[in-house]
Amino acid sequence: GENVEQHPSTLSVQEGDSAVIKCTYSDSASNYFPWYKQELGKRPQLIIDIRSNVGEKKDQRIAVTLNKTAKHFSLHITETQPEDSAVYFCAASLGSGNTGKLIFGQGTTLQVKP
Amino acid sequence: DADVTQTPRNRITKTGKRIMLECSQTKGHDRMYWYRQDPGLGLRLIYYSFDVKDINKGEISDGYSVSRQAQAKFSLSLESAIPNQTALYFCATRRSGASTDTQYFGPGTRLTVL
Repeated sequence: GENVEQHPSTLSVQEGDSAVIKCTYSDSASNYFPWYKQELGKRPQLIIDIRSNVGEKKDQRIAVTLNKTAKHFSLHITETQPEDSAVYFCAASLGSGNTGKLIFGQGTTLQVKP
Repeated sequence: DADVTQTPRNRITKTGKRIMLECSQTKGHDRMYWYRQDPGLGLRLIYYSFDVKDINKGEISDGYSVSRQAQAKFSLSLESAIPNQTALYFCATRRSGASTDTQYFGPGTRLTVL
């Protein structure tokens, strides 16, 4: 079945530095890749997503890149701030079509040190 | 997102007890999902429903059942709870046919099975 691997599991950066989280997926039919941020004790919330017909998408300090050939996608956060500290999850849609079924990565705990 | 609510927020129960977790939404979304979150494992799909008469198993449905009582309500039951079902449970919703595949999560239910 579909599998999503996420690395690293923990990431510590200094405020102002960049952070990169990487995910690989196994189902070549996957066509939707969201990233969720979960602050401590809170629910996951979508921060950015990308579809398979696009290679890169940016929203202010965050960006996502997708390499369909290699089946991996990455989250880039620039100019990190302490409020970026959270657990980040990548996900891939299961198969093609519009089922809405997502397979999540294991999560990355990002710590931004002031 | 206050439009998706879960009850109870916390529950401690004993092995063998029947437990029901409830999810309600006022977003008017037709699709609803149940996930469990375990440290280091990310979010895993238990069941999902496309409408009141359409229920589907996810990755880890064994030991769980669901009921879609109305478009706005989706309940998860543990018929005979066991300790390894101790986890954080999230409900999520999504509108089919939308231009975005965003899933909106409830606040979560922390379940402890002793």
